[in-house]
Amino acid sequence: GDSVTQMEGPVTLSEEAFLTINCTYTATGYPSLFWYVQYPGEGLQLLLKATKADDKGSNKGFEATYRKETTSFHLEKGSVQVSDSAVYFCALSDDDKIIFGKGTRLHILP
Amino acid sequence: DAGVIQSPRHEVTEMGQEVTLRCKPISGHNSLFWYRQTMMRGLELLIYFNNNVPIDDSGMPEDRFSAKMPNASFSTLKIQPSEPRDSAVYFCASSSNRVTQYFGPGTRLLVL
Repeated sequence: GDSVTQMEGPVTLSEEAFLTINCTYTATGYPSLFWYVQYPGEGLQLLLKATKADDKGSNKGFEATYRKETTSFHLEKGSVQVSDSAVYFCALSDDDKIIFGKGTRLHILP
Repeated sequence: DAGVIQSPRHEVTEMGQEVTLRCKPISGHNSLFWYRQTMMRGLELLIYFNNNVPIDDSGMPEDRFSAKMPNASFSTLKIQPSEPRDSAVYFCASSSNRVTQYFGPGTRLLVL
């Protein structure tokens, strides 16, 4: 079945560092791809999405490009802030459902 | 829009008691999802509804769990009897296009 694999955390970076969180997927069709973020004590929030190959999703300085040839959707940000500390989930749509990765915890040090 | 509303936000109960979690989806959304999140197992889809009809309940752990959606604006997840291993954060999410889901703030359940 369809699945999502993302890098295990925690990831610890200093403020203003460059961030990459890797995500790869397995799917039989052409799913939409997502990154969700979960701040402490809150539910998941949609961060960005891409619906077809070569699309780039972006929001709040974060970007991810739908790469069909490498089945990847890596999350990047050029300069992270302390407020970006959260858990990030890569996900894909599977018909009616969304399949989530296990999440990557990100700590940003001031 | 108020977003997805869940109640209670926190619940502490004793083993064997019945627990009822409530969810009000975003108005106009026709799909509703119940998830459970734990450190050990991560985020698990328990059940989802489309137009108030349960579509897939394969994630419901066992017969102690049941979910209903009597109308488009309300759903419940019930655990009876509750056990300590049910302690988790339970999220409700809703969607209008069967793709992008919007999550509620969650109910933190502790079963003693």
